[in-house]
Amino acid sequence: AQTVTQSQPEMSVQEAETVTLSCTYDTSESNYYLFWYKQPPSRQMILVIRQEAYKQQNATENRFSVNFQKAAKSFSLKISDSQLGDTAMYFCAFMNGAGNMLTFGGGTRLMVKP
Amino acid sequence: SQTIHQWPATLVQPVGSPLSLECTVEGTSNPNLYWYRQAAGRGLQLLFYSVGIGQISSEVPQNLSASRPQDRQFILSSKKLLLSDSGFYLCAWNFGSNTEAFFGQGTRLTVV
Repeated sequence: AQTVTQSQPEMSVQEAETVTLSCTYDTSESNYYLFWYKQPPSRQMILVIRQEAYKQQNATENRFSVNFQKAAKSFSLKISDSQLGDTAMYFCAFMNGAGNMLTFGGGTRLMVKP
Repeated sequence: SQTIHQWPATLVQPVGSPLSLECTVEGTSNPNLYWYRQAAGRGLQLLFYSVGIGQISSEVPQNLSASRPQDRQFILSSKKLLLSDSGFYLCAWNFGSNTEAFFGQGTRLTVV
């Protein structure tokens, strides 16, 4: 079974600064998919960014980018120019190659301070 | 477009009572369906997933069960609730590989 670990239970960052959230995973598969989800206080799960394991290029979505290190099984999320609306729980998630099993990490609570 | 409905939004149940949470998906066929539980301020624990009608895989053996009586319907049940069953329950679906999972609004269950 796959496991996903987020080692930072809580983090804080000043508005307009940059913050990096860490995620590591364990799998024996070579083809898989990785995601970062955001859960604001409303508790609705929102997809932030995705990465296909077969792609070497790191995914980028506006202010959000990832550092995908396949050999190290690491998948960190960088948030640039942090905004107050980025305050939320962030979850790293692993999907197997068949696309029928989605496993989440324990989450990182991010607080953006004005 | 696809939508996912999950109800009820909030539920308060006494210990020992039964539970039935329902999740339905519209606008797609043969989705993969998931039930997760989230304890307060914690991560998402995968409880059950289903790749087709009548096919249920359990990740955490416990007081809960799941059923998929129709292609786009996923039900989470318990015969007798425990205090430890309290939490936030999320239903999700995806379709095939390389597709993100879409989540319902969640059910906040409090067992008293």
